[in-house]
Amino acid sequence: EPEVTQTPSHQVTQMGQEVILRCVPISNHLYFYWYRQILGQKVEFLVSFYNNEISEKSEIFDDQFSVERPDGSNFTLKIRSTKLEDSAMYFCASSEGQGLGGELFFGEGSRLTVL
Amino acid sequence: AQSVAQPEDQVNVAEGNPLTVKCTYSVSGNPYLFWYVQYPNRGLQFLLKYITGDNLVKGSYGFEAEFNKSQTSFHLKKPSALVSDSALYFCAVRLHSGYSTLTFGKGTMLLVSP
Repeated sequence: EPEVTQTPSHQVTQMGQEVILRCVPISNHLYFYWYRQILGQKVEFLVSFYNNEISEKSEIFDDQFSVERPDGSNFTLKIRSTKLEDSAMYFCASSEGQGLGGELFFGEGSRLTVL
Repeated sequence: AQSVAQPEDQVNVAEGNPLTVKCTYSVSGNPYLFWYVQYPNRGLQFLLKYITGDNLVKGSYGFEAEFNKSQTSFHLKKPSALVSDSALYFCAVRLHSGYSTLTFGKGTMLLVSP
């Protein structure tokens, strides 16, 4: 069964450092997303991406964040200068389309710990 | 704006008993509704969705959910709980029309005791 894969599974970084989280969405999917989940809290939307541009972003997704699809398979989330409060589990997701309530398929997550 | 409420932080049920995990939603149009499950240290797994049609939706692992438009609810149910059902359950909503993000509730921990 096709799946979304994410790397790394866990990254520890110092405050102020840049972090890149990588995702390989399901191959025929067209919509890509990043969500995050701070420990013990709800799953929060960060950004969605379609046709090589951001479709929508939340208030969390400020200038410190960026997304990119550098090739035909990877979808990355970059945090330029990490803060302590960026510590969270980051989930990548993809969906085939928007029609018929297209469900999102999530990766296993990348746990980011900022010290 | 769209939102989802899961009023219970935790639901406890004995194995073999029926379970219900509650969800209510608020949207300014017709909703798509979803349930996802998260096992420890894992990603979110899709369980079921409501698009249109029958109000009772059947999904994976014997789970079902009932859409109630008048009560704006989409409660998750299972006739007979298993210990292996113990996990964190998230209800989510998105709008029918146009483009909208998937908005999650805060999650409900389901604990099934042997």
